[in-house]
Amino acid sequence: SAVISQKPSRDICQRGTSLTIQCQVDSQVTMMFWYRQQPGQSLTLIATANQGSEATYESGFVIDKFPISRPNLTFSTLTVSNMSPEDSSIYLCSLRGRAGETQYFGPGTRLLVL
Amino acid sequence: QKEVEQNSGPLSVPEGAIASLNCTYSDRGSQSFFWYRQYSGKSPELIMFIYSNGDKEDGRFTAQLNKASQYVSLLIRDSQPSDSATYLCAVNRGSARQLTFGSGTQLTVLP
Repeated sequence: SAVISQKPSRDICQRGTSLTIQCQVDSQVTMMFWYRQQPGQSLTLIATANQGSEATYESGFVIDKFPISRPNLTFSTLTVSNMSPEDSSIYLCSLRGRAGETQYFGPGTRLLVL
Repeated sequence: QKEVEQNSGPLSVPEGAIASLNCTYSDRGSQSFFWYRQYSGKSPELIMFIYSNGDKEDGRFTAQLNKASQYVSLLIRDSQPSDSATYLCAVNRGSARQLTFGSGTQLTVLP
């Protein structure tokens, strides 16, 4: 399966600031996804990142808060804007494997907002 | 009703026993079902996926799917302390086949 890396691995940020998380894959993939995992919770899909078009956001998530870029088939970014303590979560990118519908996850970015 | 429901646990089994993890889903149109394992502080890793009714075995793991009952389970035979983790059930949906996750079941295997 593809190797997925994320930067930063963790960060502590101040309220009101923004953080951009990068996701890099070592091979070309069509579909990438961004998830959030709040403390003690399961994974919630934020959006599907499509190359060459706007991301598709899930209910409850908006582009102004979580802008996403997908400039090519190996890279995507998620920005968490105007952060509040409620944004403290693990943010994970994932991709769909070549074998079909299985998804693989990056190592995650652990964000703490003070 | 949640789209994907799991017993939250925690579930404790002795080493060497069979651990049984259960999951139900609400969307009858779902076609693919996945089990992920997540160790504390780590990202989820795929254990198994199943598309067809019946059982699918991979080593000590067996996934079972019953689409009529909208039920999927994961059996772990000869449980080891290293199996202690949170197990997440996921179901595909939507045109992009996004995954919807259950809340997870925390499993502890006691030595």
